[in-house]
Amino acid sequence: GAGVSQSPSNKVTEKGKDVELRCDPISGHTALYWYRQRLGQGLEFLIYFQGNSAPDKSGLPSDRFSAERTGESVSTLTIQRTQQEDSAVYLCASSWDFSSYNEQFFGPGTRLTVL
Amino acid sequence: DAKTTQPNSMESNEEEPVHLPCNHSTISGTDYIHWYRQLPSQGPEYVIHGLTSNVNNRMASLAIAEDRKSSTLILHRATLRDAAVYYCILRRTYSGNTGKLIFGQGTTLQVKP
Repeated sequence: GAGVSQSPSNKVTEKGKDVELRCDPISGHTALYWYRQRLGQGLEFLIYFQGNSAPDKSGLPSDRFSAERTGESVSTLTIQRTQQEDSAVYLCASSWDFSSYNEQFFGPGTRLTVL
Repeated sequence: DAKTTQPNSMESNEEEPVHLPCNHSTISGTDYIHWYRQLPSQGPEYVIHGLTSNVNNRMASLAIAEDRKSSTLILHRATLRDAAVYYCILRRTYSGNTGKLIFGQGTTLQVKP
């Protein structure tokens, strides 16, 4: 079956530009997560959606970062006025729900490079 | 969330068993022990999880100490494809839980032919 997909796979942008990253979760998964992985580092949690609501945005690093989810499906992570420190791989994951015994399925990630 | 401690790196020979340890001395009774791995240039993938009893699946086995303060991920016959970073993660069940994964640095497993 189809897994989690993300687009684009690579994005190169200039400092100061806005970017949108897309995540298509597995159909029927109500929980959706965004993580960030800087080069050589571990994954950092950014935001969690349950349905279309985001009860946990605690990992968003600044107000330049925002995300939305529609139709309990697709999610978009938007970074405004990108900075060089935003360069990272952005990973999306989905799960049946937030229960601690359910596995999360990860997409392949979007590699963002800010010049 | 409770913290886990893993060795930074381990080496194994192909087709030999690998035992990846994880210490979690502050684990609580409602914490599930999850293992994920991340192959080079890929997103993490789920390996296995357990609560109290040892668990087996097609990928690996999870041995959990009786006091639950440590666990071991067992790959029965390592292949070159098993070379990855392995993350041991505790996930707690509680009201208001969001299920987010808190990743540490993990153990980088090298598999030699």
